[in-house]
Amino acid sequence: GDSVTQMEGPVTLSEEAFLTINCTYTATGYPSLFWYVQYPGEGLQLLLKATKADDKGSNKGFEATYRKETTSFHLEKGSVQVSDSAVYFCALSNGNNRLAFGKGNQVVVIP
Amino acid sequence: DGGITQSPKYLFRKEGQNVTLSCEQNLNHDAMYWYRQDPGQGLRLIYYSQIVNDFQKGDIAEGYSVSREKKESFPLTVTSAQKNPTAFYLCASSLSEGPSYEQYFGPGTRLTVT
Repeated sequence: GDSVTQMEGPVTLSEEAFLTINCTYTATGYPSLFWYVQYPGEGLQLLLKATKADDKGSNKGFEATYRKETTSFHLEKGSVQVSDSAVYFCALSNGNNRLAFGKGNQVVVIP
Repeated sequence: DGGITQSPKYLFRKEGQNVTLSCEQNLNHDAMYWYRQDPGQGLRLIYYSQIVNDFQKGDIAEGYSVSREKKESFPLTVTSAQKNPTAFYLCASSLSEGPSYEQYFGPGTRLTVT
């Protein structure tokens, strides 16, 4: 079945550092890809999405490009802030109303 | 403001009791979902409904039940048969049709069973 894999472990970095969170997927056909963010004690918020190959999703300084050749959708931000501390989830939808989520990555930004 | 509400935010129950979690949306979405979140596990789908009076089991439906009598509401009952019910429960909704099936999430209910 469809699945999403995120890099293991939390990510700790200093303010203004470059952030990358890796996401790879396994799916048939042409899924849509998403990044969601969860702040402490809250639900998930859609951060960005891409619905076809080579699309780039972007929002709040975050970017991710849908790479079909490498089945990847890595999240990047050039200069993180303390307010970016959260858990980030990669997810895919393959046209059946069901989202497959990765396990999430805790990001901690230190002032 | 359109959105999804879940109540209560925190819920405490004794083992052996059934408990119902509320989820309401005013986004006019046809589809609604319930997820369970445990530390380090990501989100797992419990039940989903694409239309009123119809719903399907997700990956971890055992010990849970739902109803969908109104488009706006999708309550989840955690029964005494659920062996490990303590978790963070998230409700979501989406348009049934569309190229991206983007889901919108509520703020969640943290259930603690002792």
